[in-house]
Amino acid sequence: GAGVSQTPSNKVTEKGKYVELRCDPISGHTALYWYRQSLGQGPEFLIYFQGTGAADDSGLPNDRFFAVRPEGSVSTLKIQRTERGDSAVYLCASSQPGQGTDTQYFGPGTRLTVL
Amino acid sequence: DAKTTQPTSMDCAEGRAANLPCNHSTISGNEYVYWYRQIHSQGPQYIIHGLKNNETNEMASLIITEDRKSSTLILPHATLRDTAVYYCIAYPNFGNEKLTFGTGTRLTIIP
Repeated sequence: GAGVSQTPSNKVTEKGKYVELRCDPISGHTALYWYRQSLGQGPEFLIYFQGTGAADDSGLPNDRFFAVRPEGSVSTLKIQRTERGDSAVYLCASSQPGQGTDTQYFGPGTRLTVL
Repeated sequence: DAKTTQPTSMDCAEGRAANLPCNHSTISGNEYVYWYRQIHSQGPQYIIHGLKNNETNEMASLIITEDRKSSTLILPHATLRDTAVYYCIAYPNFGNEKLTFGTGTRLTIIP
């Protein structure tokens, strides 16, 4: 079946602009996670959705970052007034919590470059 | 979440078994050991996980010590496509938690 997909695969923008990054989770997965990965580092958690609600947004670095999941499926990560330090690969993962633990499956990521 | 410790890098000859160690001496009873890998420019790929018993799937085997303080991921016949960064993560068995990645082990398969 289809895995997690993310669009666009690459995004180049200018400092100060607004960007939206999209994540399509695996069909039926109720949990969705966003992570950010800087060069040479492991992914770092940003936000987690269970259904439509953000269950944990403790990883969002500041109020320029916002994410939504209005229908409990597709999610959009929104970054306002982008800064050069926002350049990174943004990863999305989904899982289906159930009996025992749940496994997160990742998409290919969106590489964001802020000039 | 329990902290995990892995070697920064390892080499393995193509066709040989690659054994990647992970130390998780502070792991708690409700935490699984998860392994992911990340091939260059791709998202992390799930490999395998276990609680206390050894596990095997089509990709790898996971050996967890009896005291659960360490584990070893085994790729039985490494190929060049197995060159990647491998992450060992302790993850609670009730799920719904963020994954905490370290810096992982950079495994290079040598032809």
